[in-house]
Amino acid sequence: QQPVQSPQAVILREGEDAVINCSSSKALYSVHWYRQKHGEAPVFLMILLKGGEQKGHEKISASFNEKKQQSSLYLTASQLSYSGTYFCGTVNSGNTPLVFGKGTRLSVIA
Amino acid sequence: GAVVSQHPSWVICKSGTSVKIECRSLDFQATTMFWYRQFPKQSLMLMATSNEGSKATYEQGVEKDKFLINHASLTLSTLTVTSAHPEDSSFYICSARVPQGAYNSPLHFGNGTRLTVT
Repeated sequence: QQPVQSPQAVILREGEDAVINCSSSKALYSVHWYRQKHGEAPVFLMILLKGGEQKGHEKISASFNEKKQQSSLYLTASQLSYSGTYFCGTVNSGNTPLVFGKGTRLSVIA
Repeated sequence: GAVVSQHPSWVICKSGTSVKIECRSLDFQATTMFWYRQFPKQSLMLMATSNEGSKATYEQGVEKDKFLINHASLTLSTLTVTSAHPEDSSFYICSARVPQGAYNSPLHFGNGTRLTVT
């Protein structure tokens, strides 16, 4: 079951914040976030395993609301290097593979 | 850190020919690898799960006779696109979970192979 991401695309100026949402119609076992630059492979950002969990690295953080079956990725004070397509991937149970959403294209401009 | 190496980075072939893509785990043993396909501006779609020493598990709609997967060793999985046609042109990416065996482990991706069939 493919998770639903929103928005599909967003344009930010440097220093602005953004939120990307990921929701599933099924119960979530875990949520993964990846960023892909054009023509490159996706790069792992973070994984959320438990409902209510929040984590972050530098100015990128994420939360996982298990009850609502959704996760959000927060980009604070965006930098030009944040540009790319962000994918959430969800695992619905302990023995199912990772399924990616359609992605959110983020463009940060000077 | 864990590294997944994929080769070649790009390939151009003529319609009707076969193409082999290799995916290697460089510093760990991968009993399971995953093959994804990505069309331009679209998401990564799982094609199949490659299992060392046994048959691959294909996702619905993926032709197993067209996309042959071989996982003969703990460090190498190959995807062969047989009788390739222009509609097979895509970005093919392999990945592996590290650590292995845990469905909550992050995926590490190879650099991908861009296939163009003329």
